[in-house]
Amino acid sequence: GAGVSQTPSNKVTEKGKYVELRCDPISGHTALYWYRQSLGQGPEFLIYFQGTGAADDSGLPNDRFFAVRPEGSVSTLKIQRTERGDSAVYLCASSSGLAGDTDTQYFGPGTRLTVL
Amino acid sequence: DAKTTQPNSMESNEEEPVHLPCNHSTISGTDYIHWYRQLPSQGPEYVIHGLTSNVNNRMASLAIAEDRKSSTLILHRATLRDAAVYYCILRDRTNAGGTSYGKLTFGQGTILTVHP
Repeated sequence: GAGVSQTPSNKVTEKGKYVELRCDPISGHTALYWYRQSLGQGPEFLIYFQGTGAADDSGLPNDRFFAVRPEGSVSTLKIQRTERGDSAVYLCASSSGLAGDTDTQYFGPGTRLTVL
Repeated sequence: DAKTTQPNSMESNEEEPVHLPCNHSTISGTDYIHWYRQLPSQGPEYVIHGLTSNVNNRMASLAIAEDRKSSTLILHRATLRDAAVYYCILRDRTNAGGTSYGKLTFGQGTILTVHP
């Protein structure tokens, strides 16, 4: 079946610009996660959605970052006034949300964001 | 968050078993031990998880110490496709918005190199 997809796969932008990154989770998955991965590091949690609501956004680094999931499926991560330090791979994952601690997260291939 | 400690890198030869260690001396009684791996240029993928007993699946085995302060991921016959970064993760039981879930807190992981 179809896995998690993310678009675009690569995004190059200039400092100060606005970008949107899209995530299509596995159909029927209620839980959706965004992570950010800098070069040579493990992924870092950003935000978690259960359905349409952001249940935990404690990982968002500052108010330039915002994410939505208006219909409980597709999610968009939005970054305003991008900075060079925002350059990273942004990963999306989804899970069934049914099995509590143990439910498996399925990751997309990521969007590589480069801010010039 | 409970922390894990893994070697930075390990090497193996193809067709040989690989034992990837993980120390988690501050693990709590309700933390699950999860392993994910990340192949080059891909998002992480689930490998295996356990709580107290050893676990086996088609990908690997997980051996958990009796005191749960350490665990070992075992790949019984390494293949070139197993070359990846392996992450040992303690799954947080964090209550967010009334829903229990487990965000993944990644460390640096172990870079596994498999030689032909």
